[in-house]
Amino acid sequence: DIQMTQSPPSLSASVGDRVTITCQASQDINTYLNWYQQKPGTPPKLLIYDASALETGVPSRFSGRGSGTNFTFTITSLQPEDIATYHCQQFHNLSYIFGQGTKVEIK
Amino acid sequence: EVQLVQSGAEVKKPGDSLKISCRASGYSVSHYWVAWVRQMPGKGLEWMGIIYLHDSDTRYSPSFQGQVTISADPSVTTAYLQWSSLKPSDSAIYYCARVYVDVGPPISSHFDSWGQGTPVTVSS
Repeated sequence: DIQMTQSPPSLSASVGDRVTITCQASQDINTYLNWYQQKPGTPPKLLIYDASALETGVPSRFSGRGSGTNFTFTITSLQPEDIATYHCQQFHNLSYIFGQGTKVEIK
Repeated sequence: EVQLVQSGAEVKKPGDSLKISCRASGYSVSHYWVAWVRQMPGKGLEWMGIIYLHDSDTRYSPSFQGQVTISADPSVTTAYLQWSSLKPSDSAIYYCARVYVDVGPPISSHFDSWGQGTPVTVSS
């Protein structure tokens, strides 16, 4: 089975900072990688699909890149409303695996 | 408007059976699968399985195969998640989600709309 390693588990940054989260797959997954945002007490929300495509309505300060085994998710200028846990997800043959999640807090 | 509306919170005892539901509306169910996702208290997301509402074709995560049953009733565009004998470790929030799949090329798949979640508590 493909394993996903997401890091860091948590981070604290100031408003306006650039924030980067990484996700590493145990084998080549092409660009079959999605990113979700989950605010406390709410369901996840799709932000990025196919490694780098921005879901409709999602602010442009969110971005993703990568292919193969290494992927990054970036918030270019952290806003107070971005406080959430971010999850990566890979898919392969109608099978889906999530990373462990990264909790983002304001310093 | 795409909506996935889940059944309400449940409190059960160990050994009880349970069936929770996820009703889809606002889109053609023949074009999408529905996934079930578990989130244990303070933990990450775990994919449990997916079902094609149109014909009930089902795929399970190896971690959940044999532990739960996923089913559907296309006449009411509803997916179900069922346990025959609950354990305290089944306490979690369970989400359903609409699954976009494009066989391409290139292949693309993601969970683009989510239900509100069903909290399940199993305690004696």
